Amino acid sequence: AQSVTQLGSHVSVSEGALVLLRCNYSSSVPPYLFWYVQYPNQGLQLLLKYTSAATLVKGINGFEAEFKKSETSFHLTKPSAHMSDAAEYFCAVSDQSSASKIIFGSGTRLSIRP
Amino acid sequence: GAGVSQSPRYKVAKRGQDVALRCDPISGHVSLFWYQQALGQGPEFLTYFQNEAQLDKSGLPSDRFFAERPEGSVSTLKIQRTQQEDSAVYLCASSLGLVGETQYFGPGTRLLVL
Repeated sequence: AQSVTQLGSHVSVSEGALVLLRCNYSSSVPPYLFWYVQYPNQGLQLLLKYTSAATLVKGINGFEAEFKKSETSFHLTKPSAHMSDAAEYFCAVSDQSSASKIIFGSGTRLSIRP
Repeated sequence: GAGVSQSPRYKVAKRGQDVALRCDPISGHVSLFWYQQALGQGPEFLTYFQNEAQLDKSGLPSDRFFAERPEGSVSTLKIQRTQQEDSAVYLCASSLGLVGETQYFGPGTRLLVL
């Protein structure tokens, strides 16, 4: 069974500092991995996704994530935080064998200090 | 272009009432998904359609939950005899239906059962 674990339900960084949101996955087959962002009262927006083409994936708004099979991790990073990055971030995994459901982590709320 | 739309955006129901939540997917999207997001949690899969066929309903929490997509486009999620534990945001997503395709999410319907 697939699962996703996000370490830290709340992360706070200063504006301009490095953002690191952690995600570990469990999957019996090679997975697709995603990071979604959710702003208050809005739907989920895809930041980036890993589909086995490249281990370092670049997304929107300056975010990127690196797939590390040996560590079963897919951590999200951004070199310099901006106030507009404050939101809830979800890591997710789906099965490469079908175009079906996505399994989401419990989310990490990112706060940015001025 | 138009994204996924959901209606109503907010719904207040008295315990025991039936509710119907509507999802209009992106035109041409074959796959449609429903997720339930409880407060402070990540979305959880409810059910999945490919065209009009419901291929996976393993996430529906009880037989009070019913979803349909009769013409392979608009979908309705119906909850009968609502309970307080049904209070959540219900998210709809659609995709082209190919393996690894991005799911595009609507803004959700926030259901409050009193």
